[in-house]
Formats: sequence, structure tokens, C-alpha cells
Amino acid sequence: QSALTQPASVSGSPGQSITISCTGSSSDVGSYHLVSWYQQHPGKAPKLIIYEVNQRPSGVSNRFSGSKSGNTASLTISGLQAEDEADYYCCSYAGRNAVFGTGTKVTVL
Amino acid sequence: EVQLLESGGGLVQPGGSLRLSCEASGFPFSRYAMTWVRQAPGKGLEWVSSISNSGGTTYYADSVKGRFTISRDSSKNTLYLQINSLRAEDTGVYYCARGAPYDYWNFWGQGTLVTVSS
Repeated sequence: QSALTQPASVSGSPGQSITISCTGSSSDVGSYHLVSWYQQHPGKAPKLIIYEVNQRPSGVSNRFSGSKSGNTASLTISGLQAEDEADYYCCSYAGRNAVFGTGTKVTVL
Repeated sequence: EVQLLESGGGLVQPGGSLRLSCEASGFPFSRYAMTWVRQAPGKGLEWVSSISNSGGTTYYADSVKGRFTISRDSSKNTLYLQINSLRAEDTGVYYCARGAPYDYWNFWGQGTLVTVSS
């Protein structure tokens, strides 16, 4: 049950697009269409922003999008805004368990 | 409105035990699997354990297997996590969330802090 690998930090200017990668293995990301992404602001509970690789929950901005290729999933934030500054975690089903990514801190310059 | 309210956290000595609770409201509790996720101070999220809607199937992370026990009481709309043989590395905020390990977790509680220290 090794954590999925994410870059520790990603930054961008307002209005830009950024992409966060989430690399797993054939036992998790590569085997299931069950990758989700969570946004977490300091001191707050995580918030679901993407589920089943590329689905957005109701109320989540369409600036957030997800994709997957092989063992790597990706989250793209377009039109970066100040409120997007937060920690982001991917999560994948891995057969009788779930595994989170290491987390990425997004900074809006 | 879906609400999840955790309680039971606190300061405990290494080797001690604690039972966390998560009271659910706003949805048919007995129809949903439930999950515990924890976060050590300044660290990332870690899936801990899940339980099926009936309680008949349980799932555990290797790091807690044998020490943690997840359970539920549908008559009280409450999820539990019994934590035994506590270690310093169990320190963190424990969140409950609605859903199974193969689900996505759209509803989370506010978390309860467990501190293991002598």
C-alpha cells in the first residue's frame, strides 16, 4: 500500500493552467477507473473535486478537470484563481483498500 | 443536509486505547458504506478503514490491521473506530467520510484530533 506519487508543489499565476500528476501502479491507478481528487484548505476537511477519473461533483467549478493514462492520473486547474491555493490529493481504489497520493501544495503567485 | 460529526479524540498515552465515534444525519445511514481517513500533523491523508453498509465486510490499511476495529450501529446512525495499542505515529486528525474504499467521498466530518504522547 505505497502512497501514490505527486509533486510536492506546483505554482502558477492567476489565469494560468496547471497540471498535477498522480503516479501509481498497475495495482491501483492502472487497474481501476476509480481515481478521485480532493482539495484541502488549511484546517479544513478535504473536499471532493473529481471522481471516477474525470467526473465533477455538482457545484465544483468546470475549471477543474481530470484524466488518466496508464498508471498516471492528472488534475488540471485552468484559469487559476487565488482561492485555488490549497493542498490537493489524488486517491485510487487498490483492491480492498484505497490509497492516497502524497499531496501537492498549489501556490498562486 | 448530510452531516457527519466525529467525537472521542483526545490525549492518550502510548499503548492506550480510544474509541472514536461519527454520528451521521441527513441520509439513510444503513444504506451507505463508511470510511475513516486520518492525517498526521503537517502530513498527507491516509485511508485507514472502511465498513460495508451492513457491517458485514470490513477493510483495513496494513498500518492499522490488528490494532484498529471499525464497526457501526445503524440504530444509532453511528460509525465507530476502536483504536488499541496506540503509537506516536497514530497521532493526527481522524475524519469519517461517507462511502466505501471503491467509492468517492463526497461528505466528510470536521475531524477529531488524537494525540498519542506520554
